[in-house]
Amino acid sequence: GESVGLHLPTLSVQEGDNSIINCAYSNSASDYFIWYKQESGKGPQFIIDIRSNMDKRQGQRVTVLLNKTVKHLSLQIAATQPGDSAVYFCAERDTNAGKSTFGDGTTLTVKP
Amino acid sequence: ETGVTQTPRHLVMGMTNKKSLKCEQHLGHNAMYWYKQSAKKPLELMFVYSLEERVENNSVPSRFSPECPNSSHLFLHLHTLQPEDSALYLCASSQGAYRGEQYFGPGTRLTVT
Repeated sequence: GESVGLHLPTLSVQEGDNSIINCAYSNSASDYFIWYKQESGKGPQFIIDIRSNMDKRQGQRVTVLLNKTVKHLSLQIAATQPGDSAVYFCAERDTNAGKSTFGDGTTLTVKP
Repeated sequence: ETGVTQTPRHLVMGMTNKKSLKCEQHLGHNAMYWYKQSAKKPLELMFVYSLEERVENNSVPSRFSPECPNSSHLFLHLHTLQPEDSALYLCASSQGAYRGEQYFGPGTRLTVT
């Protein structure tokens, strides 16, 4: 079946370093991708999205990169802060099929 | 505060009970969603409502019954649940269906005994 998966279940970085969280997807028909952040005890929070006609999109301290050739999505967080500690997961949407799939999540821990 | 509230926050119910989860959004959005989040499993989209009409039902068992009486309220009616239905049930809303920029409530932690 189709799946959206993250390469690493956990990632630990030093405060101030840049973080890169990866996601691989298998549905080549997916045309919309989203990154969410979920802190302990809270619902997910939208971070950034990207459509398949783009390969890069930047937000505030975050950048999403999309490589459709290898079906890979990444989230880059610049100057990681303790408040960035959370679970991050990606999602894909195949608009034509009307199907949304979510990744397993990567737990990011920021060490002071 | 995301502008999406859910009640109750915690619920324990037996397999023969009937209960309802409530979601309310104060954002003026026109689309609402129910998700299921189980431990160690990816988030699962259950239902999508757009302009108070159900537009997606992802093969969810009939023991889960959604209701959207207006654009700011969403219910999930539960009956004869199974222990494997224990999970965090999340509600979300967005302006326009299927937008990634959804605002999530804190969830209802459901335990079926």
